[in-house]
Amino acid sequence: GEDVEQSLFLSVREGDSSVINCTYTDSSSTYLYWYKQEPGAGLQLLTYIFSNMDMKQDQRLTVLLNKKDKHLSLRIADTQTGDSAIYFCAGLGTGFQKLVFGTGTRLLVSP
Amino acid sequence: NAGVTQTPKFRILKIGQSMTLQCTQDMNHNYMYWYRQDPGMGLKLIYYSVGAGITDKGEVPNGYNVSRSTTEDFPLRLELAAPSQTSVYFCASLSGGPDYGYTFGSGTRLTVV
Repeated sequence: GEDVEQSLFLSVREGDSSVINCTYTDSSSTYLYWYKQEPGAGLQLLTYIFSNMDMKQDQRLTVLLNKKDKHLSLRIADTQTGDSAIYFCAGLGTGFQKLVFGTGTRLLVSP
Repeated sequence: NAGVTQTPKFRILKIGQSMTLQCTQDMNHNYMYWYRQDPGMGLKLIYYSVGAGITDKGEVPNGYNVSRSTTEDFPLRLELAAPSQTSVYFCASLSGGPDYGYTFGSGTRLTVV
């Protein structure tokens, strides 16, 4: 089955860029997602990318997809303290049946 | 729209007790899911449903049961609670097109003592 790996922790200073990385094993994933989870809350969809795209930009967010290396990244420009949260990448397989989540990356933004 | 609503938000159970975690969505979504989130482990799929009357097991179904009698409701049942079921449980739904991913409920934090 699908396996999704992320680094556990990232610390940046306010105003810097953050890059969160993810690797996945299932090349048939049709969509790849980034979710944000703030303390005590559910998961909020940040952005997604379809598997035939290499890059997607959405305001401060840039998603890069390297299908050859099965690598997905999320870049947050001008990171703010409000961006402190856990970020999950997830892959959606064929049949729309389930998302497989990574372990999450805890982003800490210091002033 | 309320989206996906989960109740209760918190619960403490004793070993061997039973309970039902409620999940309701008002978006007329066919696909619904139950995940559990353990610290540092990401989310694991327990059960899912592709429509009323249809359910199937996910990665970690043991100790749980589900039903889907209506499109709106997808309750998760724990019959004999065990400490290993201490976790945060999330319900989610997915529209017919996956462009916007899942909509999650706010979660139920369950502790089994």
